[in-house]
Amino acid sequence: GESVGLHLPTLSVQEGDNSIINCAYSNSASDYFIWYKQESGKGPQFIIDIRSNMDKRQGQRVTVLLNKTVKHLSLQIAATQPGDSAVYFCAEILRSGGYQKVTFGTGTKLQVIP
Amino acid sequence: EAEVAQSPRYKITEKSQAVAFWCDPISGHATLYWYRQILGQGPELLVQFQDESVVDDSQLPKDRFSAERLKGVDSTLKIQPAELGDSAMYLCASSLGGDEQFFGPGTRLTVL
Repeated sequence: GESVGLHLPTLSVQEGDNSIINCAYSNSASDYFIWYKQESGKGPQFIIDIRSNMDKRQGQRVTVLLNKTVKHLSLQIAATQPGDSAVYFCAEILRSGGYQKVTFGTGTKLQVIP
Repeated sequence: EAEVAQSPRYKITEKSQAVAFWCDPISGHATLYWYRQILGQGPELLVQFQDESVVDDSQLPKDRFSAERLKGVDSTLKIQPAELGDSAMYLCASSLGGDEQFFGPGTRLTVL
């Protein structure tokens, strides 16, 4: 079936460096994508989303890139800080039958080295 | 700031017992979701409500799991009987009808 997955389960970066977290998706009909951040013991927190008709979107210190040709999504975090340490999930959303179906990937753990 | 509330935060039970989780979404949010998250994995949708109606329960193990949202506000997820494999974090989320879902802190279930 359709699925969303991540290339790297764990990513370690030096504080101040940029981080890039990747995600591969297989459902070309997905309407949009969301990146979530989940800290230990907490629920996922929305970071940024991108519509399927876009290829780039920027937020505060974060940028999401969407490459529909190769069905690839990435989250770039600029000047990574210790507070960015968490598990990051991409989620694929398909609008169907009047509601939206959300499929999460397995997650990438980001470790920031002080 | 409005938040999704869940209780209890932690639950330990023995297998074959019944457990129930409660969720109070952000006021005015018509859509409510229950997810199960196994450690190290992404959340898996169990059931989705639009107001009081179930719109997607295709991944809900209906032989032991049930969910209700009688008045279209708060919701209860029940497991009876609990099995060892049910140990996980149970997350509730709500949305206004748009794209962004707001998650609660979750209920960590341990089945012994």
